[in-house]
Amino acid sequence: DSGVTQTPKHLITATGQRVTLRCSPRSGDLSVYWYQQSLDQGLQFLIHYYNGEERAKGNILERFSAQQFPDLHSELNLSSLELGDSALYFCASSGTRNYNEQFFGPGTRLTVL
Amino acid sequence: SQKIEQNSEALNIQEGKTATLTCNYTNYSPAYLQWYRQDPGRGPVFLLLIRENEKEKRKERLKVTFDTTLKQSLFHITASQPADSATYLCALVDDAGNNRKLIWGLGTSLAVNP
Repeated sequence: DSGVTQTPKHLITATGQRVTLRCSPRSGDLSVYWYQQSLDQGLQFLIHYYNGEERAKGNILERFSAQQFPDLHSELNLSSLELGDSALYFCASSGTRNYNEQFFGPGTRLTVL
Repeated sequence: SQKIEQNSEALNIQEGKTATLTCNYTNYSPAYLQWYRQDPGRGPVFLLLIRENEKEKRKERLKVTFDTTLKQSLFHITASQPADSATYLCALVDDAGNNRKLIWGLGTSLAVNP
């Protein structure tokens, strides 16, 4: 158990809908990272927050947004969903802002029908 | 363009042998490189980090080397066990511009046969 929690575990929704994925980092970790993993593309970095502030963006679509709250939990919002958004979404946390030694949550499997 | 390459073919080895996985990168000069293990349907688990001034790092049965001239890292598992069967990912930080991010290889699948 990494200490990172993600909810929900599974999400099935329809195209055009909007969903919110939630992540609670390990106790004391200030950095939260979001990743998308699909079979053909591997692990894709989406966005990094450190202590409530956005630090870096990766391949995140404009339809996706995220935030980190004062209690350090984070939410990833996906809107106008398309079939291609079906993937595993992971959240990771670390104690630094340097991308070292990240602890991953169990992931949310999103299926868009 | 910047790229990380790992053996795309699955590696099958016999229990007790040493597994060697390769991570090659182009157009980066990373200060450090990380290795993770991922089991099907689960999040990656951090294994080792090696810095550019470290040629080799060990942790129990794991050994990582980092050759910044060859732009290559090798990951070794000695005395391999069936429980080592998983996908192994390498990752490094891309510092291009002001948008620092972690870039991941696609991973190499390792199967250790009893």
